[in-house]
Amino acid sequence: GAVVSQHPSRVICKSGTSVKIECRSLDFQATTMFWYRQFPKQSLMLMATSNEGSKATYEQGVEKDKFLINHASLTLSTLTVTSAHPEDSSFYICSASWTGDEAFFGQGTRLTVV
Amino acid sequence: GQNIDQPTEMTATEGAIVQINCTYQTSGFNGLFWYQQHAGEAPTFLSYNVLDGLEEKGRFSSFLSRSKGYSYLLLKELQMKDSASYLCAVRPSDSSYKLIFGSGTRLLVRP
Repeated sequence: GAVVSQHPSRVICKSGTSVKIECRSLDFQATTMFWYRQFPKQSLMLMATSNEGSKATYEQGVEKDKFLINHASLTLSTLTVTSAHPEDSSFYICSASWTGDEAFFGQGTRLTVV
Repeated sequence: GQNIDQPTEMTATEGAIVQINCTYQTSGFNGLFWYQQHAGEAPTFLSYNVLDGLEEKGRFSSFLSRSKGYSYLLLKELQMKDSASYLCAVRPSDSSYKLIFGSGTRLLVRP
């Protein structure tokens, strides 16, 4: 199957700083990628749809100025958590697909804001 | 709105069979997915149903009834490593690969 690589896998940052998470499709071109957030013992909540070459589409309740998404190429999307606070601590996961039959997920990023 | 329901937790015995149900009410329907997720890891794909009926893949089978808005995941010959969360997800639109996830079912397999 296709490979989606997410980096870093874990990051600890100080409150008020920004953190960038990368999501790469290694062996296919992904015109669309998705960013999810998952709190402990909860399911994945879609944050935004990342479209190559255009602005991301955010789900209701997700602050676009806080969670900056850039999809500059067909193989790379980035999520930047700006001015992070402890409540932003979560598991962030990206996914990409080029068919409707399967979405491939990155390994996830465990963000801890202290 | 979008609503996907699954039981929160289930317990089963090693070697047994377990069925995890999922009901959905979404604005559209273009496929239902089941994923397995171990704690702290990303989800891994198990199955995809878009037409009514049963899809079998080794020890795992998934069933779909679109008229009832219902699916189940059947796990046979349970192994300890099957202890994980199982996520039901619906793709509402045929113009996007966006998935809406249920809350997930935590399955505990006991010896």
